[in-house]
Amino acid sequence: ETGVTQTPRHLVMGMTNKKSLKCEQHLGHNAMYWYKQSAKKPLELMFVYSLEERVENNSVPSRFSPECPNSSHLFLHLHTLQPEDSALYLCASSQGGSGINYEQYFGPGTRLTVT
Amino acid sequence: GNSVTQMEGPVTLSEEAFLTINCTYTATGYPSLFWYVQYPGEGLQLLLKATKADDKGSNKGFEATYRKETTSFHLEKGSVQVSDSAVYFCALKTGNQFYFGTGTSLTVIP
Repeated sequence: ETGVTQTPRHLVMGMTNKKSLKCEQHLGHNAMYWYKQSAKKPLELMFVYSLEERVENNSVPSRFSPECPNSSHLFLHLHTLQPEDSALYLCASSQGGSGINYEQYFGPGTRLTVT
Repeated sequence: GNSVTQMEGPVTLSEEAFLTINCTYTATGYPSLFWYVQYPGEGLQLLLKATKADDKGSNKGFEATYRKETTSFHLEKGSVQVSDSAVYFCALKTGNQFYFGTGTSLTVIP
């Protein structure tokens, strides 16, 4: 138990569906992250929310839309996904701020399958 | 740019064998370096870290030394156990960004 929870743990959705992934951290951190983990590829950073500032990877398609209503909760809204979006989506949190060398704590991930 | 390169897997070892997983990095500035471990069906967990040159991180019998001159952070363990079977990720942090390697799968057989 790392203090970061994710729901659902597994999700199967069609290409025309809309769904959301949820992440919650109970560690008092002020930075949260979404990663995509695909087989044989580096972890791909999708979005960062740190100290109320959002940073995004410009290569992430617009069919992925993050939302961070407060420092403890992070959502990833999904719509009109493609089969290649099937992957493990990991949420992480850490203390934020440039130059501060805090590690990340990861949730267990949501295994997404797009059919 | 910033990146991490780690050795290709999978790695298969017998119990009590010596483990080395190589990791080299490219970074601007002075990054912190990490090893994470991912057990089946779980997220990544921090294994150890080092925040400056010549620091040695250690945990659960694993060690890694931050070598600035060779830009490396190799993971070692003297005697692996079956329970060490997992995927190991090398990572660096610079500013507020983390960069991960592709992961190395380790299987330890009795």
